[in-house]
Amino acid sequence: EVQLLESGGGLVQPGGSLRLSCVGSGFSISSSGMTWVRQAPGMGLEWVASISATFGNTYYADSVKGRFTISRDNSKNTLYLQMDSLRAGDTALYHCAKGTSNVDFWGQGTLVTVSS
Amino acid sequence: DVVVTQSPLSLPVTLGQPASISCRSSQSLVSSDGNTYLNWFHQRPGQSPRRLIYKVSNRDSGVPDRFSGSGSGTDFTLKISRVEAEDVGVYYCMQGTHWPRTFGQGTKLEIK
Repeated sequence: EVQLLESGGGLVQPGGSLRLSCVGSGFSISSSGMTWVRQAPGMGLEWVASISATFGNTYYADSVKGRFTISRDNSKNTLYLQMDSLRAGDTALYHCAKGTSNVDFWGQGTLVTVSS
Repeated sequence: DVVVTQSPLSLPVTLGQPASISCRSSQSLVSSDGNTYLNWFHQRPGQSPRRLIYKVSNRDSGVPDRFSGSGSGTDFTLKISRVEAEDVGVYYCMQGTHWPRTFGQGTKLEIK
């Protein structure tokens, strides 16, 4: 059974950093490619970043480029999102999801709140 | 960036009646590999999105056959043949062909 479990969210001040983790089970994240998607309170879905399966190429939304870094540890089957220089507009529920083109399975998400 | 536009944004439907959601992209979603990466998701309140349809018209395992996807190029449609109470929530289309990936604004389906 495919499972994704995110962690690492919390309350952080503007300008601060957080690292989100997403542990996968029931499949290999390195062979699937992975994606982060966020959802601000009461709003729609916003694609944040993806990492490709084979070569680990990374892709970012303009809104986070230069501030966020997606990476993975294949030995731990874990996906990460390093978030630096956080802004109030980054406040959202962050989901990791399996895949990059055919995004299929989603985790429950971890809440990030950026506020002073 | 590819802009994905859904309509309508609000969809009140009577139980047992059909429903249809449109998703239009600003560029063709046909990929260089010949596939069209257009996905449909359903999100119930307080839950994570669940994929219903991938590559325009392929239904995911466990998705009722009252859901169907169609379309090509830049124009796509999700149809529900007979709406049931469990279908309430927000429906999103997402293109997986071009970077950056983009979602539609979402269509909120409610029961009249």
